[in-house]
Amino acid sequence: DQQVKQNSPSLSVQEGRISILNCDYTNSMFDYFLWYKKYPAEGPTFLISISSIKDKNEDGRFTVFLNKSAKHLSLHIVPSQPGDSAVYFCAARVQGGSEKLVFGKGTKLTVNP
Amino acid sequence: NAGVMQNPRHLVRRRGQEARLRCSPMKGHSHVYWYRQLPEEGLKFMVYLQKENIIDESGMPKERFSAEFPKEGPSILRIQQVVRGDSAAYFCASSPWNTAQSSYNEQFFGPGTRLTVL
Repeated sequence: DQQVKQNSPSLSVQEGRISILNCDYTNSMFDYFLWYKKYPAEGPTFLISISSIKDKNEDGRFTVFLNKSAKHLSLHIVPSQPGDSAVYFCAARVQGGSEKLVFGKGTKLTVNP
Repeated sequence: NAGVMQNPRHLVRRRGQEARLRCSPMKGHSHVYWYRQLPEEGLKFMVYLQKENIIDESGMPKERFSAEFPKEGPSILRIQQVVRGDSAAYFCASSPWNTAQSSYNEQFFGPGTRLTVL
């Protein structure tokens, strides 16, 4: 069963516009949600996180929104830049001390110049 | 400060051979995690270790897979008698000691080892 879902395998946007990446989850026992960015042949790099008790967290061009009632979160990138082109993974931490992360399948973002 | 190091970066094995994947965490990090990424999939948690202890191995296959993080040296993920289905990218991550569960303890990932079983 897939507890973290990213339903869009790919997304293409123009440079300077907003990129919105979506993620849905089914497990209410997640206490933190995260976004990781991954370039080919590299490991994932942490971007931004949000606690399950918050509804928004912002860091520069990146903002994550959490809607607990809908079990949905989204990552907004404004303005998008060609260097943002990568695969973005949504992940969630299981509450209770294990620290393990549950990842979605990823969304490949392409920002066109 | 060097990041998480994994070696080898690429490993080719024939069916039935053993694969050993090594991970050196970032300096000062005492927690190590192993994840596996199959083609077109997300990363799947395998095991979480601290020095000389396995904390959570709920994602490890019951047979052929083992992991260790000795007092000295890197963490090792060992796969015995590999099969074609073991072909994947294996990522190691590390994090520092976190005494407060109320915050997120960032996991820093290595570049991965790509295992190909012929």
